[in-house]
Amino acid sequence: QVQLVESGGGVVQPGRSLRLSCVTSGFIFSNFGFHWVRQAPGKGLEWVAVITSDGADTYYLDSVRGRFTISRDNSRNTLHLQMNSLRPEDTGLYYCASAIVTDDAFDIWGQGTMVTVSS
Amino acid sequence: DIVMTQTPLSLPVTPGEPASISCRSSESLLDRDDGNTYLDWYLQKPGQSPQLLIHTLSYRASGVPDRFSGSGSGTHFTLKISRVEAEDVGVYYCLHRLEYPYTFGQGTRLEIK
Repeated sequence: QVQLVESGGGVVQPGRSLRLSCVTSGFIFSNFGFHWVRQAPGKGLEWVAVITSDGADTYYLDSVRGRFTISRDNSRNTLHLQMNSLRPEDTGLYYCASAIVTDDAFDIWGQGTMVTVSS
Repeated sequence: DIVMTQTPLSLPVTPGEPASISCRSSESLLDRDDGNTYLDWYLQKPGQSPQLLIHTLSYRASGVPDRFSGSGSGTHFTLKISRVEAEDVGVYYCLHRLEYPYTFGQGTRLEIK
C-alpha cells in the first residue's frame, strides 16, 4: 500500500527551527522526486519545495529559500524539510506529495503535519 | 512567477446539474518542447488531503469518474463536472507545473444547493 506519513510539526517561537519528516512505503522511494506543499489555516494550497529522485536538484518558493532545506534519505525512504528562522507566516499544515503514477502531478499526498509559529 | 486565477470562488450547484470552474494563467502553460500543457486540477474534500483529478490539461487520474473533464489551451482552462453529486463537495484548485515555482489558484468552493 502506497503511503506517505508526515511528522515533526509542532508549536515553535519565531526565529526557531523545526524539522519535518515524511516516511514513505509501498513503492521504490529512490525512483521519485518529492514536494512539500503547505496550507495556512483556512487558506489555499502553496507549493514550497521539490527535490529530484537522486537528490541532486532542489527548488524553493522565494519566501523560504535560504531558510528551508529539503533533503532525502534513500536508505530510510524518508523525505525531510529543515525549517530555520521560522516566521508566523510559515504557520500551516505541511504536506509531502509525489508523482508515483503520473509524469509529475501530485498523485499521492500525505495527511499533513501542523506547524504553528507563535510567541 | 506565473499567477493562477480561478473563477468563481464559490459555486453552489444543484445535484444532477453541471458545473464549470475557470482557471487562467498569467503565461501560457504550453511547453513548446514536448507539446504538453502543464495544468492540473485537484479536489480537497472537507477534512482531507488534496486529491488529483486531472493532470496535464485533460488526463483523468486513476479512479476519477468520467463526469470530470479538463480542457483549455494557452492561458485559459476549464474543469467541468457533467452531473454534480453530493460527494463532489469541497475546494477545487488548479495548479501549473510548467516551471518552478509551481503555483495554485486560490481555490473554488463547490457546495450543494
